[in-house]
Amino acid sequence: GIQVEQSPPDLILQEGANSTLRCNFSDSVNNLQWFHQNPWGQLINLFYIPSGTKQNGRLSATTVATERYSLLYISSSQTTDSGVYFCAVGFGTASKLTFGTGTRLQVTL
Amino acid sequence: GAVVSQHPSWVICKSGTSVKIECRSLDFQATTMFWYRQFPKQSLMLMATSNEGSKATYEQGVEKDKFLINHASLTLSTLTVTSAHPEDSSFYICSARVRADNQPQHFGDGTRLSIL
Repeated sequence: GIQVEQSPPDLILQEGANSTLRCNFSDSVNNLQWFHQNPWGQLINLFYIPSGTKQNGRLSATTVATERYSLLYISSSQTTDSGVYFCAVGFGTASKLTFGTGTRLQVTL
Repeated sequence: GAVVSQHPSWVICKSGTSVKIECRSLDFQATTMFWYRQFPKQSLMLMATSNEGSKATYEQGVEKDKFLINHASLTLSTLTVTSAHPEDSSFYICSARVRADNQPQHFGDGTRLSIL
């Protein structure tokens, strides 16, 4: 099956810093989503981005499908950005998602 | 829009009990729902794909007799963990897709299951 690797696995930032999270996948996809999982386990849907670039406030994402990677940018990080960030990819009509390994982000004061 | 409600959010029960978890799409119809499991500090793993009006498709290694899935309507799928044991303790989360191509999955808030 498709492999999804995220980097870095862990990241500690000071409040206000910027960061880039990466998601590499091993095969063609037609569905890619980024999520933030908060400390209570809730998955917050950040972006649906099988290709191209999108921005939402301090967050933006870019997927280069032909090169099989996606990037999530977090600018001016806040302590509320702490948690685990997952990318998940899918292909075909079944569209089941394979989740990446996750990036655990801690933003400190 | 596209809200998925999952209930209950937290269950503690004795070993040998069967536990039912509900997943509802509140404002859209979902022909397909998905069930995932997440162990502490790990990623989410797909357990099964639930199709309205037909049998669920289970991923390799998931016991279909242990994890019973019913998708009786376009807005409701249920997962029943039968004769649960401590090793079944985990975080279970469902998702649903709207009835169209190239649409994202929307996730419930998850159910934390603890078997004593």
